[in-house]
Amino acid sequence: TQLLEQSPQFLSIQEGENLTVYCNSSSVFSSLQWYRQEPGEGPVLLVTVVTGGEVKKLKRLTFQFGDARKDSSLHITAAQPGDTGLYLCAGFWGSARQLTFGSGTQLTVLP
Amino acid sequence: KAGVTQTPRYLIKTRGQQVTLSCSPISGHRSVSWYQQTPGQGLQFLFEYFSETQRNKGNFPGRFSGRQFSNSRSEMNVSTLELGDSALYLCASSLEGPSSGNTIYFGEGSWLTVV
Repeated sequence: TQLLEQSPQFLSIQEGENLTVYCNSSSVFSSLQWYRQEPGEGPVLLVTVVTGGEVKKLKRLTFQFGDARKDSSLHITAAQPGDTGLYLCAGFWGSARQLTFGSGTQLTVLP
Repeated sequence: KAGVTQTPRYLIKTRGQQVTLSCSPISGHRSVSWYQQTPGQGLQFLFEYFSETQRNKGNFPGRFSGRQFSNSRSEMNVSTLELGDSALYLCASSLEGPSSGNTIYFGEGSWLTVV
């Protein structure tokens, strides 16, 4: 069973602050995805990273895939209350079509 | 286009009963996956169906089953409900199935409470 560890589990910050969320595994991912889930809704895909060392930006969000493809991070610059939600990383291993999710980081951005 | 539709949104069942949840994927999508989400275990994969065939299965007991119809709509069934089955059940659809090259789209989920 592949395990994905996310940290921190909970994060509460003030509007305008920066933050980083981490996602780690002991195994090499074939690819990794980040999702955001808001209350009462299903997760929504933010980004997919495939290549070790890859960096992708989505407005104020920066996603990085580790060189060894065992870890990833999500950095949010100047967080806003609208960024509040559950952030989930999810990985594919090998040719498996099963997406395994991390436990999530519950982010609250206070105005 | 319409998103993934799950019904019912909320339901309450008694221990020992059985429940059937329904999922209508995005038009044209042939893969439907089911996930269970709980505060303690997070999002866990139940199974994936593609063209009416179960292609992948997670580590859940046999009380959890599913099927997919020729129009790609899917149902999942949980028999002999236990308190621990209380969870948000999420359905996700995609064109060809979960992979780095295919985006999967989640429904809003069905909230099941077992009392």
